[in-house]
Amino acid sequence: GQQLNQSPQSMFIQEGEDVSMNCTSSSIFNTWLWYKQDPGEGPVLLIALYKAGELTSNGRLTAQFGITRKDSFLNISASIPSDVGIYFCAGPTPHNTDKLIFGTGTRLQVFP
Amino acid sequence: DAGVIQSPRHEVTEMGQEVTLRCKPISGHDYLFWYRQTMMRGLELLIYFNNNVPIDDSGMPEDRFSAKMPNASFSTLKIQPSEPRDSAVYFCASSLNGAGRLETQYFGPGTRLLVL
Repeated sequence: GQQLNQSPQSMFIQEGEDVSMNCTSSSIFNTWLWYKQDPGEGPVLLIALYKAGELTSNGRLTAQFGITRKDSFLNISASIPSDVGIYFCAGPTPHNTDKLIFGTGTRLQVFP
Repeated sequence: DAGVIQSPRHEVTEMGQEVTLRCKPISGHDYLFWYRQTMMRGLELLIYFNNNVPIDDSGMPEDRFSAKMPNASFSTLKIQPSEPRDSAVYFCASSLNGAGRLETQYFGPGTRLLVL
């Protein structure tokens, strides 16, 4: 079945560093969503991408919709301790756009 | 707006007991989704409703799982009988227009279920 693979699986960085993570699929997506899950909470939408090549920012976060439509990237600049959490990519399944498939997640730890 | 409300936040029960998880979606949202999150399988969609009607329950693992949405402001996910492998975090989410549109899914805080 369709899968979204994220890398890296986890990251341990120092406050102030920039972060890059990506999400890849074996099939084409028409929408890419990036969510963040804080410890003990539900995922919260960060950025939505709707067009191949699109680059969208939300504060220190920037996400890109890959040209091949099979991947997406999320960058966080100048990380801070509250960036800690799990970052998920997601997209609608091809046969039913009401359903989301979520990636495997990238766990981010930021040390002061 | 209060956001999606789930109860209880934590549930510990013994194998064989019935478990009922509750969800109140955001007012005005016409889609409601139930997810399960585990370390092994990540975030999986169990079932979703549109206008209180179950649309796709292909993610429900077994007949022990059932979900209802008697009205636009309330849904339940029931496990009967519960088993230790059901231990997970269960999330409810709601949205205005499904998944792939501008108004995407808003998640509740989740119910952490532990079956002993």
